[in-house]
Amino acid sequence: KNQVEQSPQSLIILEGKNCTLQCNYTVSPFSNLRWYKQDTGRGPVSLTIMTFSENTKSNGRYTATLDADTKQSSLHITASQLSDSASYICVVRFGNRKLIWGLGTSLAVNP
Amino acid sequence: NAGVTQTPKFRVLKTGQSMTLLCAQDMNHEYMYWYRQDPGMGLRLIHYSVGEGTTAKGEVPDGYNVSRLKKQNFLLGLESAAPSQTSVYFCASSYWGDNTGELFFGEGSRLTVL
Repeated sequence: KNQVEQSPQSLIILEGKNCTLQCNYTVSPFSNLRWYKQDTGRGPVSLTIMTFSENTKSNGRYTATLDADTKQSSLHITASQLSDSASYICVVRFGNRKLIWGLGTSLAVNP
Repeated sequence: NAGVTQTPKFRVLKTGQSMTLLCAQDMNHEYMYWYRQDPGMGLRLIHYSVGEGTTAKGEVPDGYNVSRLKKQNFLLGLESAAPSQTSVYFCASSYWGDNTGELFFGEGSRLTVL
């Protein structure tokens, strides 16, 4: 069964600290994996995309990794800011343009 | 550019009433989608369209109808609203030539059915 699981479900950190969010998938055939950020009351916005051949990709303070062998991805946030408080959703694309969405990790950054 | 615009942003309905959610995009995207988002359920695809005049069912289409009469607009209709349709609805669009599948979302429409 094609599934995308994210952990933790929620996370609270202090401003300035780092954190890592996890995404595990059992999707085949794999096409790509994308991380979205969803601010409260807004629609999701793409942060980064990982393809099969990519291991690491950075977008400012966000760094995504992909291990295609273990079917795991992580999103690392460095020096967190209050504006990083949001839900982070992992979505895997497979087969003929189909998407499998994770449930997201809710991140709260406290001052 | 406005991107993807949804109207209305909030709506309260009584059980059995009907309504239409409107989605408009100004990016000339071929593909458009309607999702619903519920706590603990994530984003679920209701219906989608791969071009003007075409529509297709997603994973949770029951109770909804859609129309794509113009390329830039995608309408989601509820003929007889039920409390189970209380949710936040998101419209999204994407470019057919983008094999990465990036979706561009609207701000969402929060619907409450009493």
